[in-house]
Amino acid sequence: QKEVEQNSGPLSVPEGAIASLNCTYSDRVSQSFFWYRQYSGKSPELIMSIYSNGDKEDGRFTAQLNKASQYVSLLIRDSQPSDSATYLCAVNGDAGGTSYGKLTFGQGTILTVHP
Amino acid sequence: NAGVTQTPKFQVLKTGQSMTLQCAQDMNHNSMYWYRQDPGMGLRLIYYSASEGTTDKGEVPNGYNVSRLNKREFSLRLESAAPSQTSVYFCASSEDWGQGYEQYFGPGTRLTVT
Repeated sequence: QKEVEQNSGPLSVPEGAIASLNCTYSDRVSQSFFWYRQYSGKSPELIMSIYSNGDKEDGRFTAQLNKASQYVSLLIRDSQPSDSATYLCAVNGDAGGTSYGKLTFGQGTILTVHP
Repeated sequence: NAGVTQTPKFQVLKTGQSMTLQCAQDMNHNSMYWYRQDPGMGLRLIYYSASEGTTDKGEVPNGYNVSRLNKREFSLRLESAAPSQTSVYFCASSEDWGQGYEQYFGPGTRLTVT
């Protein structure tokens, strides 16, 4: 059973701080990693995808991937109250495996940014 | 460009009733998916269609059937609803099937089975 683990939180940070969200995965050969944001009562919204080791930046968001440690993280700089949401980590399975093409989601981390 | 649309937004069924959830995408995507989201269980894949004309089971297919009507539309049918199927259902699509293809979600259907 492929597993994706996230700290459920809630993670509370003050406005303007850096929020750090973490995710570990069990399938060593996973190749594609995604972060989704989900506001309460809404659908998941893709905010970042990362495929190679290292950092990928998009505006205030930075995704970090370390395949050797099976770890992917999302940093949100200058956090705003509008960033308060649940953040879902999703991992795509390996070619040739039964999970190929399918996303396995973590349970999500609730982030609260307080003024 | 509406992206992924789903109907209905809300539905209440009695145990044993049947219904079909509709999903359509206008992004010319090849692959489509149905998920359910339950508190404490996260998002789980019910069925998927890697391309028009194909469908396959996901993690939790029991009690559901699907139809890929054409490239745009992918429906999910509950033949005999059970209270355990109370959930939020999301449809998603991606450009293609396999590694690295980003999935985009519809607004969801909130289903209650009494």
